[in-house]
Amino acid sequence: TQLLEQSPQFLSIQEGENLTVYCNSSSVFSSLQWYRQEPGEGPVLLVTVVTGGEVKKLKRLTFQFGDARKDSSLHITAAQPGDTGLYLCAVDQTGANNLFFGTGTRLTVIP
Amino acid sequence: DTGVSQDPRHKITKRGQNVTFRCDPISEHNRLYWYRQTLGQGPEFLTYFQNEAQLEKSRLLSDRFSAERPKGSFSTLEIQRTEQGDSAMYLCASSGTSGYSYNEQFFGPGTRLTVL
Repeated sequence: TQLLEQSPQFLSIQEGENLTVYCNSSSVFSSLQWYRQEPGEGPVLLVTVVTGGEVKKLKRLTFQFGDARKDSSLHITAAQPGDTGLYLCAVDQTGANNLFFGTGTRLTVIP
Repeated sequence: DTGVSQDPRHKITKRGQNVTFRCDPISEHNRLYWYRQTLGQGPEFLTYFQNEAQLEKSRLLSDRFSAERPKGSFSTLEIQRTEQGDSAMYLCASSGTSGYSYNEQFFGPGTRLTVL
């Protein structure tokens, strides 16, 4: 069983549509991060959420941390082709010095 | 450019050869990480340095892998006697501790290794 389950695994939508991707776990985390990775590049940090129920906005992207700090969602409004990429959630496991990543959601926005 | 840099970006080698990758972290960051990412997966942790000390290694890091960070600046990851299963993207990341509350890591562009 994956520590972090991301869904959907693949998502292909038309430009202008809205979408939500999810990152779920049965474990509680002190913080959770979202990264976007483009083909052939390293992941780029988008946001860190810390407080249960927290909502953070980054332009057309809205991130929410679940009340129990076990899950998170990323909502994109009016998707654009530039949003295409692999969206990864990651957590800093207690007592560890490394991040644990989910398997990601691969988003394609069609012009 | 003040981000994390990695060299080379691509490496093609034959099975059994040794390869070495270099990572230059963000200059004020004292923590450095190596991850491996295979197709369709998220990055998987390999090893972690705080300054020049290698403090943690994953079980993924077999005895064919060795990493160093002399003087606590750049780091190298060497793979000896490469196998086809070593083909992956090798990512380096760095993070700071002073003034940082969370382990926000900044990644380099990666080195894509192909073992033929």
